[in-house]
Amino acid sequence: QQQVKQSPQSLIVQKGGISIINCAYENTAFDYFPWYQQFPGKGPALLIAIRPDVSEKKEGRFTISFNKSAKQFSLHIMDSQPGDSATYFCAVTTSGTYKYIFGTGTRLKVLA
Amino acid sequence: DARVTQTPRHKVTEMGQEVTMRCQPILGHNTVFWYRQTMMQGLELLAYFRNRAPLDDSGMPKDRFSAEMPDATLATLKIQPSEPRDSAVYFCASAGSRAFFGQGTRLTVV
Repeated sequence: QQQVKQSPQSLIVQKGGISIINCAYENTAFDYFPWYQQFPGKGPALLIAIRPDVSEKKEGRFTISFNKSAKQFSLHIMDSQPGDSATYFCAVTTSGTYKYIFGTGTRLKVLA
Repeated sequence: DARVTQTPRHKVTEMGQEVTMRCQPILGHNTVFWYRQTMMQGLELLAYFRNRAPLDDSGMPKDRFSAEMPDATLATLKIQPSEPRDSAVYFCASAGSRAFFGQGTRLTVV
């Protein structure tokens, strides 16, 4: 059973546009929601994360929006740049276990 | 700059051979994960350890895979015997409050 569903599978955005990636989860026990960015040949790197006590977190051009009632969270990349082209993974976990479960990934391509 | 170190970075081996992948977690991190990444399955959790004790290895084929942490600075993932379907990138990650990934071991079994 897939515990976290990520969409879209791939995304093409023009430079300067907004990239939006969505994730939905089932288990309300999850309380930590990170996003990871992965470049080819590299390991996933933590980009930004949120806990369910806030509805939004912003770090530079990256924003997480969190909807606890809908059990959904999304990553917004503002002013998308070609250097943002990578695969993005959402993840869910519970504090204490830190057993991370990842979404299937979104391959983002930002056109110059 | 603390990082998770994995060796080897690349491994090509023949079917039936034993493969050992090693991971040095970030000092002070008490949770270590092994993930396998393929195009078809994405990131799959194989096993994870807390304070060197295995907590969950349900994602790992038990008949051929084994994971251990002989000490706090070393985690190993072994495949014996290896099969072509094991070809993938294997990532180790360690976590305190946040998880950090190594660069991965790209395994090709021919």
